[in-house]
Amino acid sequence: EPEVTQTPSHQVTQMGQEVILRCVPISNHLYFYWYRQILGQKVEFLVSFYNNEISEKSEIFDDQFSVERPDGSNFTLKIRSTKLEDSAMYFCASSAQGQEREELFFGEGSRLTVL
Amino acid sequence: AQKVTQAQTEISVVEKEDVTLDCVYETRDTTYYLFWYKQPPSGELVFLIRRNSFDEQNEISGRYSWNFQKSTSSFNFTITASQVVDSAVYFCALKKGSSNTGKLIFGQGTTLQVKP
Repeated sequence: EPEVTQTPSHQVTQMGQEVILRCVPISNHLYFYWYRQILGQKVEFLVSFYNNEISEKSEIFDDQFSVERPDGSNFTLKIRSTKLEDSAMYFCASSAQGQEREELFFGEGSRLTVL
Repeated sequence: AQKVTQAQTEISVVEKEDVTLDCVYETRDTTYYLFWYKQPPSGELVFLIRRNSFDEQNEISGRYSWNFQKSTSSFNFTITASQVVDSAVYFCALKKGSSNTGKLIFGQGTTLQVKP
């Protein structure tokens, strides 16, 4: 069964460092998303991406965050200068058509620890 | 504003017991979609079910069943004859009907522990 894959599974970084989290969405999907989950809290929407553009972003997704689809398969989330509060599990997701009734398929997450 | 509330933070049951996970939502939209996701200890989010606001039929899938009641803005999830493998965090989520951006509003999650 096709799945969303994410790397790395866990990354530890120092405050102020840049981090890039990578995702390979399901191959025929057109819509891509990033969500995050701070430990013990709910899953929060960060950004949605379609046709090489951001469709919607939350207030969490400030200038320190950026997303990119550098090639036909990868979808990345970059945090320019990490803060302690960026420590969280980051989930990548994709959907085929981006329709409202569609479920999102999530990856296993990338745990980011900022020291 | 849209909101999803899962008032039960943690539930612990013994195997074979039935358990119901509550979900209450708030939205002003007339068209919307409700979802349940399971997050096992391995961490991934696994899709379980989707319901649209115009379909109030309850659904049963094996040991799982869902009760959608628009009158009380609830979308509850029942596991019958629970098993240890059902132990996970369960999230209820809401998506507005006009959304083509994939933005899900999640509840806080309910941690279910099924003891042998």
